[in-house]
This record gives sequence, C-alpha cells and structure tokens, in this order.
Amino acid sequence: DTGVSQDPRHKITKRGQNVTFRCDPISEHNRLYWYRQTLGQGPEFLTYFQNEAQLEKSRLLSDRFSAERPKGSFSTLEIQRTEQGDSAMYLCASSLSGRGILGGTKNIQYFGAGTRLSVL
Amino acid sequence: EDQVTQSPEALRLQEGESSSLNCSYTVSGLRGLFWYRQDPGKGPEFLFTLYSAGEEKEKERLKATLTKKESFLHITAPKPEDSATYLCAVTYGGSQGNLIFGKGTKLSVKP
Repeated sequence: DTGVSQDPRHKITKRGQNVTFRCDPISEHNRLYWYRQTLGQGPEFLTYFQNEAQLEKSRLLSDRFSAERPKGSFSTLEIQRTEQGDSAMYLCASSLSGRGILGGTKNIQYFGAGTRLSVL
Repeated sequence: EDQVTQSPEALRLQEGESSSLNCSYTVSGLRGLFWYRQDPGKGPEFLFTLYSAGEEKEKERLKATLTKKESFLHITAPKPEDSATYLCAVTYGGSQGNLIFGKGTKLSVKP
C-alpha cells in the first residue's frame, strides 16, 4: 500500500494524559499536513511541513499540541494534557508541491484514514 | 464568516435520480477548488481539482464544474454505492496551500 498511513486508527485516553499519533506520507511527497475533524464538520487545518520545516500553524494549534517531521519523512503529532474537547478525528495528508511536476498534480492532498481520539 | 459553504447539508435520492451539489466560496485569489468523497470513519478521498472558471472534470457518474463564485458536483443516475459525504475545499492566496473545507453534503442513495 503506497497511500498515506496513520497509526493508531483509534485511541482512547483519560483526560490529562499525553497522546502521540504517527503519519507516514506517500513516499517522495515533500509536504505533510495535519487536520482535525469533528462530527458534522469539514476538516480544519492544524499545521503543515515542507520537508522537515514546519511552515505554518493554525491558531487551533494550542501550546499543548506539537508536531514534528524529523528528516522530512514521517510525522508525529503530540497532544499533552488532553482535554475532552480534543476528541476528534485527526487526519494527515501529503502532497507533492511545485510547478509542472507529474503533469500538473499541483499540490493535490491525499489523506490517510485518520486517528480517532476519544478523551474520557 | 464561512469561506466555503456547501448545500444542501443532506440529500436523499432514489437510485437513478440525478441531482447536483453546490459549493460556494468567498475567498479572493482562488488557486484551486477540490472535491473529496468521505465514507464514515475514513479519510477524504480525492475526486477532482478545478483551477479556473469554466473548467469541467468528469469521472464515471460525477461531473464537477467551476464558476467564479461556486462549483457544482453533478451526479448522474446515482447508485447506492455513491452514498457518502462530499466535501468541497479551496486553496487561495492567503491559505499557504492548506485546504479550507466546507461542512460537506451527506448524500444517501436508496435502491
């Protein structure tokens, strides 16, 4: 399977605990995005990386959230001191940026299956 | 203020009953408009991307069109397996490449 892979698929935790999610992008994709989706809503942007550099963070990404992408490959998203309001589906996407690449894929983002977080 | 608005929120069709989903946007400097399909408990699956007004894309029973302020996803003779939530998203000059999504249209197709 050469798609975006996320682990774990489901995570149940108690309020106040720390959790970490992993995302493996499509190989050779240089951009990696994190989104959060709650029931009945579209995904909301959290942050993105170009290679190993974190280029943008949403105001949704509080100080309890941190993301890394060491060596520009896989990425991790950590939530510290989880709160019930953090319960959501966390989606990862990857894309290949640039002009004239692969006949005009133009930053099409491909998503993983997501990690569903439930904070009790 | 929502930048991407989808309507209707939910749509029920009989198998074979064609219809359209709407996505309107208010952003300036549109770079791309994207349609995704999302099944329950899964991540969004890419369908189409449109870049300029007048552009059209087709795939099986789906056809996406784009004007200066909105996009339509036309579904011709839908089948039950087309049941899903259809998400519209845009990128624009101020979005740094990240997608701004609408809330989606939940489509149910009954046999």
